Amino acid sequence: QVQLVQSGAEVKKPGASVKVSCKASGYNFTSYAIHWVRQAPGQRLEWMGWSNTGNGNTKYSQDFQGRVTLTRDTSASTAYLELSSLRYEDMAVYYCAREVYRFDVSGSLLFWGQGTLVTVSS
Amino acid sequence: QSALTQPASVSGSPGQSITISCTGTSNDIGNYNYVSWYQQHPGKAPKLIIYEVSNRPSGVSNRFSGSKSGNTASLTISGLQAQDEADYYCCSYTTSGTLLGGGTKLTVL
Repeated sequence: QVQLVQSGAEVKKPGASVKVSCKASGYNFTSYAIHWVRQAPGQRLEWMGWSNTGNGNTKYSQDFQGRVTLTRDTSASTAYLELSSLRYEDMAVYYCAREVYRFDVSGSLLFWGQGTLVTVSS
Repeated sequence: QSALTQPASVSGSPGQSITISCTGTSNDIGNYNYVSWYQQHPGKAPKLIIYEVSNRPSGVSNRFSGSKSGNTASLTISGLQAQDEADYYCCSYTTSGTLLGGGTKLTVL
């Protein structure tokens, strides 16, 4: 069965960077794009970007351009989100999610990770 | 990036039907049939309930249906049940990436 298992909670200081992992299993990792979505406490979902796990291409939300980097390790079937220059308002649960269809980036996200809480605190 | 526009809240009684609207532009909903809807219960990850405007993933109740007209997409939930109480988000493909709605809180009275 398809599973996306994310890394554990993180506590970071303002200005630092955080890297969240998303380990996929149960399917061909390089055939499906991985999206990253975050949700601050009590707030709406925010799309951050997607990663083409096959060729490494990426697309980022303008809201995070310059601060977010999506990478992947195909040998480990793992996608990564790195967010730099952390601010207090970056405190949120970060989710990875997989598309319904192979080689698709339409935003039809059928499988989700459990979420990773990133706390920004001095 | 601006979010798609959804009502902040809707409510209905058990057994009734409700509709949640999602308004975008000709750059997103109006130009692509890649509208999806997500249900999110408190403390849980979102769950895909509609994709490509009106398709339901396997296992999702047929009480959930989606449609689109022009720049506006809609999610209808019929035969409202207590467990439908949740937040609902619409989502659309754009050439700039993926656009999410502001979310709608559904209260089952």
